[in-house]
Amino acid sequence: GDSVTQMEGPVTLSEEAFLTINCTYTATGYPSLFWYVQYPGEGLQLLLKATKADDKGSNKGFEATYRKETTSFHLEKGSVQVSDSAVYFCALSGVYGQNFVFGPGTRLSVLP
Amino acid sequence: ETGVTQTPRHLVMGMTNKKSLKCEQHLGHNAMYWYKQSAKKPLELMFVYNFKEQTENNSVPSRFSPECPNSSHLFLHLHTLQPEDSALYLCASSPRLAGGTNTGELFFGEGSRLTVL
Repeated sequence: GDSVTQMEGPVTLSEEAFLTINCTYTATGYPSLFWYVQYPGEGLQLLLKATKADDKGSNKGFEATYRKETTSFHLEKGSVQVSDSAVYFCALSGVYGQNFVFGPGTRLSVLP
Repeated sequence: ETGVTQTPRHLVMGMTNKKSLKCEQHLGHNAMYWYKQSAKKPLELMFVYNFKEQTENNSVPSRFSPECPNSSHLFLHLHTLQPEDSALYLCASSPRLAGGTNTGELFFGEGSRLTVL
C-alpha cells in the first residue's frame, strides 16, 4: 500500500538557519502531497500542498516541490524562526480511494 | 476559531468508566475521521465516515464505538478502556472522501487528550 517516510528528528536549529525536512513516498499513480504542522497543544493544520509532478507548494516561507522522479516532497525554509518550532507531518492522498497516509512526524525546535 | 471543534479537550477516566468524545464541524463537509495520536507512534486512522456512513474501521478494538448521526457531528464512545489507550484523539473533516480525484485537505480539530488510569 501507499506509505510515507520522513526523517523523525528531533531537529534542532538556531534562529535564521536553513531548514530541510526530507520526505519520500511510495504510491501507485500520482498522489497529492501535503505538509501539515502541529504546534504544541493544537491539532494538525495544512501548511502546503502539491497535486501534480513539479508543482511547488509554498506558505509562510516554507516550500516543497513534488518530485515524481525521486518520489520526494522535501520541506524547506530559508530562515527559521522560534515560532516555527512544531511537529511537521508529510502526507499523501492516494489516487485509488486511499485515505490520507501520514509520515511519523518530525519535531523541529528552533533556538533563539 | 477552528472549523472543527472537539470536546472535551481533556478527559481522565478509569478503566471501568464510560465516556464520549464529541466532534462538530461547521464547514459543510461530508467526510469525517477519527485519528489516534500516541507518543512516539505515527498518526493512526481509526474510523472514516462519508455522508454518515462508516466507510472504514481500521481494526479498532470494540471498546471504541463511533457514531455519526449527521454529517456535522461525530462521536467516539469509550468503555472499559486500557491505559495504553491514553492518547490524543483527533477529529478531522474533508469536503469529500479523500483519494481518487479529491485533492482536498483534511481539517483537524485541536484534539481530546485522554488519560486512562
